[in-house]
Amino acid sequence: AQSVTQLDSQVPVFEEAPVELRCNYSSSVSVYLFWYVQYPNQGLQLLLKYLSGSTLVESINGFEAEFNKSQTSFHLRKPSVHISDTAEYFCAVSDGGSQGNLIFGKGTKLSVKP
Amino acid sequence: GAGVSQSPSNKVTEKGKDVELRCDPISGHTALYWYRQRLGQGLEFLIYFQGNSAPDKSGLPSDRFSAERTGESVSTLTIQRTQQEDSAVYLCASSSGRVLRLEQFFGPGTRLTVL
Repeated sequence: AQSVTQLDSQVPVFEEAPVELRCNYSSSVSVYLFWYVQYPNQGLQLLLKYLSGSTLVESINGFEAEFNKSQTSFHLRKPSVHISDTAEYFCAVSDGGSQGNLIFGKGTKLSVKP
Repeated sequence: GAGVSQSPSNKVTEKGKDVELRCDPISGHTALYWYRQRLGQGLEFLIYFQGNSAPDKSGLPSDRFSAERTGESVSTLTIQRTQQEDSAVYLCASSSGRVLRLEQFFGPGTRLTVL
């Protein structure tokens, strides 16, 4: 069975500081990996995804994540955060099977302070 | 519509009552998913519809939960005899195609509070 572990439930950082949100997964098959973001009072939005190819994937707002198969990790990073990045971030995994449903981590609340 | 919509946005009910939650997926999306997000928890998969195939109900927590979908359109999630532990945000997502199905588009959710 697949599972996703987000090691930090809350991450407070100051504006313009770098941040890393950790995500580890367990799966016996090839996986597809996702980061979703939930801004306050909004629905979940896809931030970035790894399906195949380059192990480093980027979002349009400066986040990046690297798929590391040997460490079964898909950590999310940003070199300099903004106040507007304050949100809850969810890591998710899918084996791409007939269901296609996602297994989510419990989420990490990123709080960016001025 | 432009995105996935859900109604109501908030629902407060008394223990033991039945509730119906509605999801309108993105037009043309063949796959539809229901998830539950309890306070402080990640999303739990509940049920999956793909076209006219039999739904995958493996995530439903009890027989008080059921869902229907008419063709590739609206879906309703019904919870009978609600309990306090049913309090959560219920999220609907849709996706399209066999390759693109992996990218799911989420609605804003219905926040259910059972008193």
